[in-house]
Amino acid sequence: AQSVTQLGSHVSVSEGALVLLRCNYSSSVPPYLFWYVQYPNQGLQLLLKYTTGATLVKGINGFEAEFKKSETSFHLTKPSAHMSDAAEYFCAVRHKTSYDKVIFGPGTSLSVIP
Amino acid sequence: DAGVTQSPTHLIKTRGQQVTLRCSPKSGHDTVSWYQQALGQGPQFIFQYYEEEERQRGNFPDRFSGHQFPNYSSELNVNALLLGDSALYLCASSFATGVTDTQYFGPGTRLTVL
Repeated sequence: AQSVTQLGSHVSVSEGALVLLRCNYSSSVPPYLFWYVQYPNQGLQLLLKYTTGATLVKGINGFEAEFKKSETSFHLTKPSAHMSDAAEYFCAVRHKTSYDKVIFGPGTSLSVIP
Repeated sequence: DAGVTQSPTHLIKTRGQQVTLRCSPKSGHDTVSWYQQALGQGPQFIFQYYEEEERQRGNFPDRFSGHQFPNYSSELNVNALLLGDSALYLCASSFATGVTDTQYFGPGTRLTVL
């Protein structure tokens, strides 16, 4: 069965500092991988996704993530945090069938300190 | 181009009552998935509808049921509400290409059961 773990339920960074949010997955075969962001009282917005090809994926708002098969990881990074990045971030996986369900991690709450 | 829309935005019910939540998918999408997000947790997959049929179901009791209409919109019904059903209910739509049907989420319906 697939599962997703996110190390650190809360992460605080200073404005301008590197953002690193960790995600590890458990799956018998490499799945499709996603990062979503959720702002307070809103739905989820897709930040980026990995399907095939280049393992370094660039997303919106300056975020990127790297798929490392050997480490079963898909960590999210951003070189310089902005105040507007404060939100809840969810890593998610989906098996490579045409319609399998998306499994979400528990989420990491990012705080940005001015 | 309208994204995924959900109604109502907020709902308050009492235990034992029944509730219906509605979702209109993003233009061009034919698949609708429903998720339950309890406070402080990641979304949990309820079920997915494609071609007006339930295609896959998560670990939720039969009290949770749904429907998809010919225009691809969908309803989520919950009978005999319990306090534990209080959550944000998210609808996600996608296009079932069979490859990488990325799900796009609506803003959610906040259900409170008293």
